[in-house]
Amino acid sequence: DQQVKQNSPSLSVQEGRISILNCDYTNSMFDYFLWYKKYPAEGPTFLISISSIKDKNEDGRFTVFLNKSAKHLSLHIVPSQPGDSAVYFCAASVGGSNYKLTFGKGTLLTVNP
Amino acid sequence: DGGITQSPKYLFRKEGQNVTLSCEQNLNHDAMYWYRQDPGQGLRLIYYSQIVNDFQKGDIAEGYSVSREKKESFPLTVTSAQKNPTAFYLCASSEGGLNTGELFFGEGSRLTVL
Repeated sequence: DQQVKQNSPSLSVQEGRISILNCDYTNSMFDYFLWYKKYPAEGPTFLISISSIKDKNEDGRFTVFLNKSAKHLSLHIVPSQPGDSAVYFCAASVGGSNYKLTFGKGTLLTVNP
Repeated sequence: DGGITQSPKYLFRKEGQNVTLSCEQNLNHDAMYWYRQDPGQGLRLIYYSQIVNDFQKGDIAEGYSVSREKKESFPLTVTSAQKNPTAFYLCASSEGGLNTGELFFGEGSRLTVL
């Protein structure tokens, strides 16, 4: 049973436009969410996180929105750059615990020049 | 530079052989983790360790073993009992376990069993 779902395996956008990556979860106990970015043959790197007490968190070009009632979060990248091309993983945990992070399958973002 | 070092980056082994993947960190982090990634799949937790001399099974621990004798080291052994060992293995660390934000990952080790 997949508790964190990224239903779009891939997304393609033009440079300068907005990229919106979506993530749905089924476990209502999840209260801490993270996005990681991964280039081929490298380990993931942390991008941004959000606690369930917030509905939005912003860091430069990256904004994460959380809709608890819909059990949905999204990552917005504005403006998108070719260097943003990577696989983006959504992850969730209960009680903010790192020990039991549940990851989605990832979405491959391609930003075209 | 602080970080996590995994070795080897690529490893080929024959079926039935045990393999040990190395993971070293100099971030002074208490917690360390091993994840497995298969094509088109998310990361799945194999083992984690909260402190030295302690480790816990993750979601897919069968066929794997670990040790945590030193804070900076968390080697993973893929045993012959692991049915499908070919995968990309990622080691990670974090300062602690709660609300510490992120895990720091190594570059990964790709194991191919022939």
